[in-house]
Amino acid sequence: GAVVSQHPSRVICKSGTSVKIECRSLDFQATTMFWYRQFPKQSLMLMATSNEGSKATYEQGVEKDKFLINHASLTLSTLTVTSAHPEDSSFYICSASRSHLTSTYNEQFFGPGTRLTVL
Amino acid sequence: GIQVEQSPPDLILQEGANSTLRCNFSDSVNNLQWFHQNPWGQLINLFYIPSGTKQNGRLSATTVATERYSLLYISSSQTTDSGVYFCAVRGVGGGSEKLVFGKGTKLTVNP
Repeated sequence: GAVVSQHPSRVICKSGTSVKIECRSLDFQATTMFWYRQFPKQSLMLMATSNEGSKATYEQGVEKDKFLINHASLTLSTLTVTSAHPEDSSFYICSASRSHLTSTYNEQFFGPGTRLTVL
Repeated sequence: GIQVEQSPPDLILQEGANSTLRCNFSDSVNNLQWFHQNPWGQLINLFYIPSGTKQNGRLSATTVATERYSLLYISSSQTTDSGVYFCAVRGVGGGSEKLVFGKGTKLTVNP
């Protein structure tokens, strides 16, 4: 159990276009999902926390109007990179939070990531 | 905020060797997870271990919460163990579920 999918796995787009990335929890309901960005040979950088039915909470320095997040259901969150530019090229990873079997706290499970290249 | 430090940053082993990866954190935590990021970028959950010891096959982990560190042991390493190992923690208080990641340990296992 605890499978998270992302679509697409890879996308190449032209500068100025918008790209939507979907994150789905396949076998559990996730009230909270997270979006990360990872540069080559670096750690994961949290971009935003997404709660079902409410506005996302963005980390400091992340442009809300550039990275639109929607969490419309307990199994789906989307990240839209608007008016993409080459500097937005990166590996984007989502995660979904599920209650741990033997703890009161949640465990995060990660999607396989989406590699975005903006030409 | 809470700081997470992992060591060593890089580790090169011969197949069959054992290794210990360390994660130090600066404050009390109520969640600690170890992940393996494979060459394709997928993060695989290894352990959910805010305290205590767990074992799963050739891997085991110990977290000493009072001393603010966690160790990941890999025994009889295989080439498929190669990749980056991340430790991530959730600090006590604040109400947020977000995890803070260390910079990772890059493990290379040579045949």
